[in-house]
Amino acid sequence: DVKVTQSSRYLVKRTGEKVFLECVQDMDHENMFWYRQDPGLGLRLIYFSYDVKMKEKGDIPEGYSVSREKKERFSLILESASTNQTSMYLCASSLWEGGSANEKLFFGSGTQLSVL
Amino acid sequence: QKEVEQNSGPLSVPEGAIASLNCTYSDRGSQSFFWYRQYSGKSPELIMSIYSNGDKEDGRFTAQLNKASQYVSLLIRDSQPSDSATYLCAVNYARPGAQKLVFGQGTRLTINP
Repeated sequence: DVKVTQSSRYLVKRTGEKVFLECVQDMDHENMFWYRQDPGLGLRLIYFSYDVKMKEKGDIPEGYSVSREKKERFSLILESASTNQTSMYLCASSLWEGGSANEKLFFGSGTQLSVL
Repeated sequence: QKEVEQNSGPLSVPEGAIASLNCTYSDRGSQSFFWYRQYSGKSPELIMSIYSNGDKEDGRFTAQLNKASQYVSLLIRDSQPSDSATYLCAVNYARPGAQKLVFGQGTRLTINP
């Protein structure tokens, strides 16, 4: 089974701190994604990556950056955490398919980040 | 702005009945559509994908797609208490395979024994 591992289940940080959220997948997937999930808003895409050292902005990239130095690892960085970044963060990965027959996201268990 | 709209519920259905979940999307060019299920405190998991107009059945689940009306639905037959979860509709607005999904806000479904 595909495993997507997020380094922390719960994290508490102070306003202005630099925060790193780590995600590792073990199935050699090309695609990796970072979402945040807030009540009433569903999942919103922050950043994604189709390959090592490659990144693309999602729908809400402001205040975030990412790093993908190795294929299996995708990091989300909050340069200066703010209270409005308190949220559940979900990492996901998927296999690149040229067609559309096997589009499936595998999610990690999530990191609940609280910024005080 | 690409949007996916769902009724947030909660939707309450008696055990054994059919649960019907609905979703509309804003971009006519979308080609792939998904239903994810999320249990409380857990991560989403894919239960259905659909790419062509019409119905697609998988066990007790049927996904329905109407591209002309920009409408996707999920039917759950013979609903079980274990189906109680939040159901997320997702639409791929990018090229097929790119999996750049936009999710709806989710519909919370409760199956009453």
